[in-house]
Amino acid sequence: DSGVTQTPKHLITATGQRVTLRCSPRSGDLSVYWYQQSLDQGLQFLIQYYNGEERAKGNILERFSAQQFPDLHSELNLSSLELGDSALYFCASSVSSEGSGANVLTFGAGSRLTVL
Amino acid sequence: DAKTTQPPSMDCAEGRAANLPCNHSTISGNEYVYWYRQIHSQGPQYIIHGLKNNETNEMASLIITEDRKSSTLILPHATLRDTAVYYCIVRLNSGGYQKVTFGTGTKLQVIP
Repeated sequence: DSGVTQTPKHLITATGQRVTLRCSPRSGDLSVYWYQQSLDQGLQFLIQYYNGEERAKGNILERFSAQQFPDLHSELNLSSLELGDSALYFCASSVSSEGSGANVLTFGAGSRLTVL
Repeated sequence: DAKTTQPPSMDCAEGRAANLPCNHSTISGNEYVYWYRQIHSQGPQYIIHGLKNNETNEMASLIITEDRKSSTLILPHATLRDTAVYYCIVRLNSGGYQKVTFGTGTKLQVIP
């Protein structure tokens, strides 16, 4: 158990639908990152939050949105789902504060989304 | 956005050392080299990181060239459980206000 919790583990839905993926970071970590990994592809960076604020953005589609709440958990919302959105979605957390030493990303086990 | 280059795949005999190279010729002076690995479809796992000195921990050793333009991850005695995709990334060690981009990594196959 890495300390990063992602729910749900598996999700099957239909095209056009909307889903929400949830991530609870490791205790003490202020930063949350979201990644998408399609079949046999690398990890595509989507977005990063630090202490509730958006800090960095990757190639995240307009149909996708995310937020980090005051208790530091984060949610990734995917809407108007398409077949190509089927993927593993990983959340990672890190301390990300000045002088914190190693800025190691700790990943969750991922949420597998299947769009039919 | 990828700032590192790695070979797509490598094989290594079980029990031998696995040496995984990474080129990061555009690394800036305050960026660290980090290595992660992903076993099958699990979440990536941190292995080791370094700035300019060689580093060793219980999992691996990291050798960084003097000009810092490349590095090598060494798994001293590869086992079948080391079969995974290995990612080399560069990033700042504080603040964290930057995209943390993973490339396609090196798929290491450990052969019995």
